[in-house]
Amino acid sequence: TQLLEQSPQFLSIQEGENLTVYCNSSSVFSSLQWYRQEPGEGPVLLVTVVTGGEVKKLKRLTFQFGDARKDSSLHITAAQPGDTGLYLCRSNFGNEKLTFGTGTRLTIIP
Amino acid sequence: DAGVTQSPTHLIKTRGQQVTLRCSPKSGHDTVSWYQQALGQGPQFIFQYYEEEERQRGNFPDRFSGHQFPNYSSELNVNALLLGDSALYLCASSLEGRNQPQHFGDGTRLSIL
Repeated sequence: TQLLEQSPQFLSIQEGENLTVYCNSSSVFSSLQWYRQEPGEGPVLLVTVVTGGEVKKLKRLTFQFGDARKDSSLHITAAQPGDTGLYLCRSNFGNEKLTFGTGTRLTIIP
Repeated sequence: DAGVTQSPTHLIKTRGQQVTLRCSPKSGHDTVSWYQQALGQGPQFIFQYYEEEERQRGNFPDRFSGHQFPNYSSELNVNALLLGDSALYLCASSLEGRNQPQHFGDGTRLSIL
């Protein structure tokens, strides 16, 4: 069974602080996507990373794909209350099996 | 340009009943995937439909079945409902092919009493 593990499971920090959340697997990713889900809504795609070592930036969010394509991280700079949500990573491991990670529930305290 | 729409938004059923959930994909998308999301957890893949056929399936029993229509819309059917089927059911649409990003609806919240 191919699993995506995310850490930490829960994170609560003050507005203005920086944070990093992680997505890891024992298997190689074909590609990896990060989503954010807010209460009562479906997940919304943030970014797709495909190439090992790839770094993508989306305003205050920086996404990194590990060189071995088994891990990824999301770093948020100067967190704001609007960043609050459930952050999910998703991959298909190259065989079209669609798998989401366990999720990191992020709360930014004003 | 309408995104993914799901109906109904909320539904209450009792054990043993059957339920049908509906999904209309984003305009231009031909592939529909269904997920079950229990409270506080990530979505679990149920199955994916393309060209009116089930293409991939997750670890869900045969009580979970689906259908895709020629206009790409889709239904999820669950028979003999159990208490553990209570969850948010998400539909996502995409273009066919690997690495295609999925666009999600806001889900149907199913409660089993």
